[in-house]
This record gives sequence, C-alpha cells and structure tokens, in this order.
Amino acid sequence: EAGVAQSPRYKIIEKRQSVAFWCNPISGHATLYWYQQILGQGPKLLIQFQNNGVVDDSQLPKDRFSAERLKGVDSTLKIQPAKLEDSAVYLCASSPRGTVTNTIYFGEGSWLTVV
Amino acid sequence: AQSVSQHNHHVILSEAASLELGCNYSYGGTVNLFWYVQYPGQHLQLLLKYFSGDPLVKGIKGFEAEFIKSKFSFNLRKPSVQWSDTAEYFCAVISSNTGKLIFGQGTTLQVKP
Repeated sequence: EAGVAQSPRYKIIEKRQSVAFWCNPISGHATLYWYQQILGQGPKLLIQFQNNGVVDDSQLPKDRFSAERLKGVDSTLKIQPAKLEDSAVYLCASSPRGTVTNTIYFGEGSWLTVV
Repeated sequence: AQSVSQHNHHVILSEAASLELGCNYSYGGTVNLFWYVQYPGQHLQLLLKYFSGDPLVKGIKGFEAEFIKSKFSFNLRKPSVQWSDTAEYFCAVISSNTGKLIFGQGTTLQVKP
C-alpha cells in the first residue's frame, strides 16, 4: 500500500516569498491533516479536512497560510508571505475516517527553510 | 487547556539498558493514546496505540506502554535498548471530546553502542 506522498521534500526561500506544498493521502482516506513541526518541538496541527471540508483550522495563521482540498483527495498548503519563524517541517497525514478510532499515517514531510 | 507532557527531553543510554519514557496528558473523557517514533531523516511511524481493553499495550520492535488512567499517564518502556533505537519519540493523545491528535514535545533518545 502506498503511503502519504508529499512534495517537495526540501525548499529554501527568502522571507516574504511564497511557497506551496502538495500532499496525496493514502487512497481512500477521507481525513487529511497538515501539521507543522518546528525543530525540537512536537508536531502542531494546522488544519484538518474531512473529505473536502475543513473540520478544524483553529491553529492555522490565516493571514499567511492557506490550504485547500478541492476534490477531497490531494491537498495544497500555501504560505504567503513567508516569515523566518515558518522554518519547519510540514507534515501531511491521513486517516480512514477521522481521528478518534483510526490510526493516522504520516508522510515524510516537506522541510522548509526561510532565510 | 488540553496538553501532553513528556518528562524527558533528551535521554542517553548504553545498549542493553532499560528504557522508560514518561508521558502525561490532561484531557477529560475518553482518550486514545499513541507513541510515534521518528528515526533520523525519516517520517513519523506508529510504535503502538491504546484505544481500549488491556492497558498494557505491546508494539513493534519490543516496545510496550502502560495506560494508567488514574495517573493520566502512558509511559513507554523497552527492557533492553539497541543502538538502532536512537530516534525521537513522541507521545500523542486524541480526546473523544475534540477529535484532535495532540503531540507532546518529544524525547530524543541516544543509545551508545
């Protein structure tokens, strides 16, 4: 079974530039998550989708971050404009039908460095 | 506020030593509990999980964890660590109230050969 796919794996940009990350979840998984993992910290949930609807985006900095999952399958996370403190690994994850009784599977992450 | 706390930030052990990593959470209601491992340069992998039933859970690679509801704890253990266990370990909790998977800050384990 293919895992969660993410691209690009690595990105270096200057502050105030924009960047986009793509995620393709495990086939058939209805729930998709984006997490931010800053070095030395645990992953922090940014946004959770159920199919193509947003379940939780309470910790998404909406002035600069946006995410979409238009067809309920793959998803894009965008940062515009980027700040130095956005340097982190952006993890995409998916689960079959939500979080309470299902395991969440993580992709390898997209490493962002803002200089 | 709901939170997950891992007591040890950095643990250094020699091979064959026993391991116990602490994890406490503050949530009301029913919880599901997880330990994830992240090897250097790799993605998060599930070590073990507790949903219900026997509070002593066995996972992959000889790891186990015990859910103690009265102590709000879910400590990870391994009787004898190997050099290949060097990694970062994350405790995570889902509360049925919120449905959100919340991670602790992680513990870096370094095993010396």
